[in-house]
Amino acid sequence: GAVVSQHPSRVICKSGTSVKIECRSLDFQATTMFWYRQFPKQSLMLMATSNEGSKATYEQGVEKDKFLINHASLTLSTLTVTSAHPEDSSFYICSAALGLGTRQFFGPGTRLTVL
Amino acid sequence: GQQVMQIPQYQHVQEGEDFTTYCNSSTTLSNIQWYKQRPGGHPVFLIQLVKSGEVKKQKRLTFQFGEAKKNSSLHITATQTTDVGTYFCGDNYGQNFVFGPGTRLSVLP
Repeated sequence: GAVVSQHPSRVICKSGTSVKIECRSLDFQATTMFWYRQFPKQSLMLMATSNEGSKATYEQGVEKDKFLINHASLTLSTLTVTSAHPEDSSFYICSAALGLGTRQFFGPGTRLTVL
Repeated sequence: GQQVMQIPQYQHVQEGEDFTTYCNSSTTLSNIQWYKQRPGGHPVFLIQLVKSGEVKKQKRLTFQFGEAKKNSSLHITATQTTDVGTYFCGDNYGQNFVFGPGTRLSVLP
């Protein structure tokens, strides 16, 4: 199957700093990329859907000014957590798809810890 | 909005026993997808069902899509320790994708 990478895999930062997470589809062009957050032993909560070249669509309750998403190319999407706080600590996972309604290929996830 | 529900939340089985997880939606599902997430890992696609009443098999796994396209099930025959993980169903809702809460399976050797 297709490969999606995420970087970094783990990050620890101080409260108030910004953290950028990269999601890359390595062997296919992803029209659509999804960003999820997952708390321990819980389901994946969709944060936003991004399509290459257009603005991301955020889920209700997700602050777009705090979670900046850029889908600059068909192989790269970035999520920037601005002014991170301890409550933002979570497992962030991206996925890539050829289009809406098609299977998703998930990245390995990024574990963010905000001190 | 669309809600995708799954039961049970947890299931503990003895190795060799069968296991079933059920996925239900408040609205008609368009194309149900099933994923498996191992502990500490990321979700991996298992299958997609699109037709009413569809049944698909993958070795010991049997996936079913309800006639009314409002429910789906995943059945594992003779579980093995490698089946441990959380099984999620999900579906597209407009531009977005909604996952169910998942069923966490543990298999006792």
